[in-house]
Amino acid sequence: DAGVIQSPRHEVTEMGQEVTLRCKPISGHNSLFWYRQTMMRGLELLIYFNNNVPIDDSGMPEDRFSAKMPNASFSTLKIQPSEPRDSAVYFCASSESYHSPLHFGNGTRLTVT
Amino acid sequence: DAKTTQPPSMDCAEGRAANLPCNHSTISGNEYVYWYRQIHSQGPQYIIHGLKNNETNEMASLIITEDRKSSTLILPHATLRDTAVYYCIGFRGGGSNYKLTFGKGTLLTVNP
Repeated sequence: DAGVIQSPRHEVTEMGQEVTLRCKPISGHNSLFWYRQTMMRGLELLIYFNNNVPIDDSGMPEDRFSAKMPNASFSTLKIQPSEPRDSAVYFCASSESYHSPLHFGNGTRLTVT
Repeated sequence: DAKTTQPPSMDCAEGRAANLPCNHSTISGNEYVYWYRQIHSQGPQYIIHGLKNNETNEMASLIITEDRKSSTLILPHATLRDTAVYYCIGFRGGGSNYKLTFGKGTLLTVNP
């Protein structure tokens, strides 16, 4: 298995632009998580999907952030408009179920100038 | 989920065993101890987890004390590629419990 695949690997954009991060979970995994990592705050859970349904989005920092999972093999995290403070590494992770070990992708490093 | 305490950093010589401690004195009876690691510029990687008994897999061994207040992750023959931040996490899972909370972890540096 190729593992969790995230794209792009790096994204540099200007403040105010829309950013879309993509994730392909491991086939057969029913749970999907989006995390954000910064030096100041460490790893934070943004949103959790189970069977393609958003279960908890309380970690999404603002309305500028939105996430979708249209099917079991694809999820997006969108930031519109982006701000410099959104600069971070965004990780997608999937698991067989919510109490199984998480498998993380290699992340998208976002820089907003 | 239980609060865990880990040393901020440790060093280990290549080829020797690396023993990473974790205190989790507030862990409840149904919380597992999970270990993940994060190599620079990569996503966190699952290593091992356990409840009461010691566990071993191809990556590491997990020793949990009888009172479950602490545990030790053992990498039997550390290599340079094991240099990473290691996270110890108390996690129950089930129902509404799905949020893995990562602390600051231990930066393990394996030296040649």
